[in-house]
Amino acid sequence: GNSVTQMEGPVTLSEEAFLTINCTYTATGYPSLFWYVQYPGEGLQLLLKATKADDKGSNKGFEATYRKETTSFHLEKGSVQVSDSAVYFCSRRSGAGSYQLTFGKGTKLSVIP
Amino acid sequence: ETGVTQSPTHLIKTRGQQVTLRCSSQSGHNTVSWYQQALGQGPQFIFQYYREEENGRGNFPPRFSGLQFPNYSSELNVNALELDDSALYLCASSPAPGQGNTGELFFGEGSRLTVL
Repeated sequence: GNSVTQMEGPVTLSEEAFLTINCTYTATGYPSLFWYVQYPGEGLQLLLKATKADDKGSNKGFEATYRKETTSFHLEKGSVQVSDSAVYFCSRRSGAGSYQLTFGKGTKLSVIP
Repeated sequence: ETGVTQSPTHLIKTRGQQVTLRCSSQSGHNTVSWYQQALGQGPQFIFQYYREEENGRGNFPPRFSGLQFPNYSSELNVNALELDDSALYLCASSPAPGQGNTGELFFGEGSRLTVL
């Protein structure tokens, strides 16, 4: 079945540090891939997406590249800020005609000044 | 543009009771999905509605049911509540199929249900 595996947290970084959160997915077809972010007490917000192999999604300094060879979609940011503290979820679309997303368990990021 | 809104934001119920959660979809969106997010976990797909009909369901028992109305708003009903139903319930909307939809969902802030 469809699944998404992301690195477990929590992750604690100092401000301006480099961030990587690993994510891999099961290779059933070529699903659209997403990173969502959840700030404390809020719902999920789309951070970035990629719809086909080798696409790079980017937003707010975050990037992730759709790697078909390694079935991965790792999230990176060169210099994190305190305001980036949140829970990050990797997800994949279940099928071409489906709106169902399968999510990873989430990675909590805390950035300290 | 109005985003996805959910109500109530918080509620407390006891085992065996029933609950109804409500969702208004984002303007222009006619597909609504519901997700359950247990504490410390990722959201789990419950079901989705399109044109007032359920057209996809996750691994949830029949006591989880829903409705979609002509204005695309939606309800999630849970009967015979159990302690494990305590979670954040998220509603998400999206445009109709074929309208350049890449599968992105637009989420509300959720309804936090506590079952005692």
